[in-house]
Amino acid sequence: GAGVSQSPSNKVTEKGKDVELRCDPISGHTALYWYRQSLGQGLEFLIYFQGNSAPDKSGLPSDRFSAERTGGSVSTLTIQRTQQEDSAVYLCASSQGASPETQYFGPGTRLLVL
Amino acid sequence: GQSLEQPSEVTAVEGAIVQINCTYQTSGFYGLSWYQQHDGGAPTFLSYNALDGLEETGRFSSFLSRSDSYGYLLLQELQMKDSASYFCATPSGNTPLVFGKGTRLSVIA
Repeated sequence: GAGVSQSPSNKVTEKGKDVELRCDPISGHTALYWYRQSLGQGLEFLIYFQGNSAPDKSGLPSDRFSAERTGGSVSTLTIQRTQQEDSAVYLCASSQGASPETQYFGPGTRLLVL
Repeated sequence: GQSLEQPSEVTAVEGAIVQINCTYQTSGFYGLSWYQQHDGGAPTFLSYNALDGLEETGRFSSFLSRSDSYGYLLLQELQMKDSASYFCATPSGNTPLVFGKGTRLSVIA
């Protein structure tokens, strides 16, 4: 596609529910990244996929967070048993090959946990 | 790992020049990137310095000094639309890109 797309754009959920966030990277980009950004804060790295390699999960804040990438393209970030502190904007980015310095970001999913 | 320090806020006048600094602590260094983020928007890539020196892209320039563990973003002929947050970023260990906390630039008339 023309750019990175994410869905939903906004998600309101109740504490304890599971949520799934979707990211569709730029066609041909082999690397995909997930970040979390709280209001007025910087970007917190969550997880990274490079091609068909196993993802680096070291940035995931807890075992309630997981992510997968199917067919080397679309990725889903799942948050189980959501907590209020999970409220944030979740950003996805992609890049060509091993070029993490130049990432293209999607518009983000704004998650609010009540 | 890496930590990056940048000022939290900068204010400058329309038409002026502003410099946003970024210092980093290294354990292996692979270049410095800069991103712009408008309120409510997604970060967008501005520039990348792999080597020492100045990289120029229109009104924006970025500088790197690896010996000083220091870089900056220079914005010339400031426009109101340049009001945004600016982040420096660098790879660190297993993390493809670690971001600074960002500098919020306010351009005033």
